[in-house]
Amino acid sequence: AQTVTQSQPEMSVQEAETVTLSCTYDTSENNYYLFWYKQPPSRQMILVIRQEAYKQQNATENRFSVNFQKAAKSFSLKISDSQLGDTAMYFCAYLMDSSYKLIFGSGTRLLVRP
Amino acid sequence: GAVVSQHPSRVICKSGTSVKIECRSLDFQATTMFWYRQFPKQSLMLMATSNEGSKATYEQGVEKDKFLINHASLTLSTLTVTSAHPEDSSFYICSARQGKGVGTQYFGPGTRLTVL
Repeated sequence: AQTVTQSQPEMSVQEAETVTLSCTYDTSENNYYLFWYKQPPSRQMILVIRQEAYKQQNATENRFSVNFQKAAKSFSLKISDSQLGDTAMYFCAYLMDSSYKLIFGSGTRLLVRP
Repeated sequence: GAVVSQHPSRVICKSGTSVKIECRSLDFQATTMFWYRQFPKQSLMLMATSNEGSKATYEQGVEKDKFLINHASLTLSTLTVTSAHPEDSSFYICSARQGKGVGTQYFGPGTRLTVL
C-alpha cells in the first residue's frame, strides 16, 4: 500500500527566510502525482503545488517550489521569502493514477515568526 | 479557481439522531467527489469515493450503513451520519474532482459535527 511520511511535526521560520518541508512516500506505481496542500486555521484545504511523476522538472509556483527525487521517493517543499500568511498546516499527498484517491501525510505545522 | 461548498458548516446534534452534510461543486460538474474525516491535529482520512449515479466506494474500516453517501447529481453529494454517537464527532471535509483523468481536487470548507 502507498504511504506518505512527513517526519517534521512542526517547523518554525523567520519572516522573509526560506524553509523546506520534507516528505517521503512509498509506492510501487510508476504513474502518480504528488501534491502539497496548505490548511490554515480556517481549515480550508488549499492546493499549493502539484507534481506529475513523469515530469523530471521540479514544479514551481511563485515562492513555492519542490525538490522531486523520484528514485529516492522524496518530495520536499521549499517556501522562499516566508510570509506571515504562510502559517498553516502543510500536507504532502500522493494520488494514484488509477483511482484518483489522495493519500495524505500526517502534516507539518509551520509557524512563520514576525 | 473552482469552488466547493459544504452545508452546514457546523452542526450539533443529540446522540441517536441522523445528520446530513451536503457537498456542492458550484461552478463545475464533478463526476467524482470524496469524503474525508479529520480528527483534531491529525491528517485527513479518506472515508469514501462518491460517484455520480452509482454506489459509493468505501475505504476499509468505514461502515457503509453508518455513513450513507448519495451522489444524485453532477454537482451534489451528501453524507448522512446515521444514528450518530459522540465518537462520530469530527471534522468532515469533501472534495470534488474537476476535469478528466486525474483532474484537480477542490476541497470544501468542512463541516464540524458535534454529537452530544
